[in-house]
Amino acid sequence: QQQVKQSPQSLIVQKGGISIINCAYENTAFDYFPWYQQFPGKGPALLIAIRPDVSEKKEGRFTISFNKSAKQFSLHIMDSQPGDSATYFCAASTGAGTYKYIFGTGTRLKVLA
Amino acid sequence: ETGVTQSPTHLIKTRGQQVTLRCSSQSGHNTVSWYQQALGQGPQFIFQYYREEENGRGNFPPRFSGLQFPNYSSELNVNALELDDSALYLCASSSGLAVEQYFGPGTRLTVT
Repeated sequence: QQQVKQSPQSLIVQKGGISIINCAYENTAFDYFPWYQQFPGKGPALLIAIRPDVSEKKEGRFTISFNKSAKQFSLHIMDSQPGDSATYFCAASTGAGTYKYIFGTGTRLKVLA
Repeated sequence: ETGVTQSPTHLIKTRGQQVTLRCSSQSGHNTVSWYQQALGQGPQFIFQYYREEENGRGNFPPRFSGLQFPNYSSELNVNALELDDSALYLCASSSGLAVEQYFGPGTRLTVT
């Protein structure tokens, strides 16, 4: 019940295309859903995050879509660029005093020039 | 504003040894969380420190222990190292119990 399932494991997109990464969860107590971008040899960097009271959040080329009833959320990267090539992780967190993150297994994105 | 820093960058240890990893939190942040990231996997929560006390722990054995100091920096100690402890160890800081966590670059630990 604590798992966050992420797909696909890897993704290849042409420059200018849309990259879509999906995550699903079971624990309805999760109340914060961030996405992180990680380049090789670096720590994860917070990209964008959403709470379950909204269905969509957009920041620049990055959009999170959230479906509370289906317990799913996704990251859309519009106009994908070669510099977006990285590993992306979804995560979920529940409050109650300890905001520990449960991470998905990651999606390795490659954007072809 | 200074981000999260970790030291050392890389470390090689032998099975059975002990290791200490260090983390300095982002300026203004008083909460530190530690994660273990095995190769090709997502980070797994080890524990969190808030105001120098442990504030939650993941599914890791007691040989993983930590400390937080009055300046909010933190240490992760691992005793009796096992080969499976080889991983990237990440430190994340946050302000109070705010949910946003900001990660450092990590320490790559290799156990031989």
